[in-house]
Amino acid sequence: GAVVSQHPSRVICKSGTSVKIECRSLDFQATTMFWYRQFPKQSLMLMATSNEGSKATYEQGVEKDKFLINHASLTLSTLTVTSAHPEDSSFYICSARDRQGTRETQYFGPGTRLLVL
Amino acid sequence: AQSVTQPDIHITVSEGASLELRCNYSYGATPYLFWYVQSPGQGLQLLLKYFSGDTLVQGIKGFEAEFKRSQSSFNLRKPSVHWSDAAEYFCAVGDTGTASKLTFGTGTRLQVTL
Repeated sequence: GAVVSQHPSRVICKSGTSVKIECRSLDFQATTMFWYRQFPKQSLMLMATSNEGSKATYEQGVEKDKFLINHASLTLSTLTVTSAHPEDSSFYICSARDRQGTRETQYFGPGTRLLVL
Repeated sequence: AQSVTQPDIHITVSEGASLELRCNYSYGATPYLFWYVQSPGQGLQLLLKYFSGDTLVQGIKGFEAEFKRSQSSFNLRKPSVHWSDAAEYFCAVGDTGTASKLTFGTGTRLQVTL
């Protein structure tokens, strides 16, 4: 149980284009999902908290207009990197909090590697 | 603000040897503590967690961790390491508020020699 998927697993795009990353909780409902960014050989940095049916809460320094988050259902959150630039290249990981279980436990997706040329 | 320190960036152990990865936290109240493991290019897998109760927590893959409030520590241990344990290990502290945000340490990379 508690499986989280991400799609795509890796994506290469041209500078200036937009990229959408999906995060799905496969076997549980998640009222809250989190989006992280991880640079090579570094820890995870929380970007935003995504709540089903409401606006996402962004961490300080994260541009909400650049990283659009939508959490339209209890099993799906999307992160759209708009007008991507090479500096947006990174490993993006989502996590989901189990609504039925202990709310403090987050289950992570496998990550999406984004390369912007 | 909560914080997590993992003092060891890189540790190398021989297969079959015991392992201890250190984690120290800073949090105002009783923390929720986690250990995650990440293989190269992969997401994070939950090894174990501590919320309350018994301070010695058993996890998957033969790992355990002990919560020591007096030392603000939550060290991860394994009595006998396998080559497949080579990975990056992250300690995290959870916000006990409604958002339950996690703050991660910088990670410890474990290398296992045969």
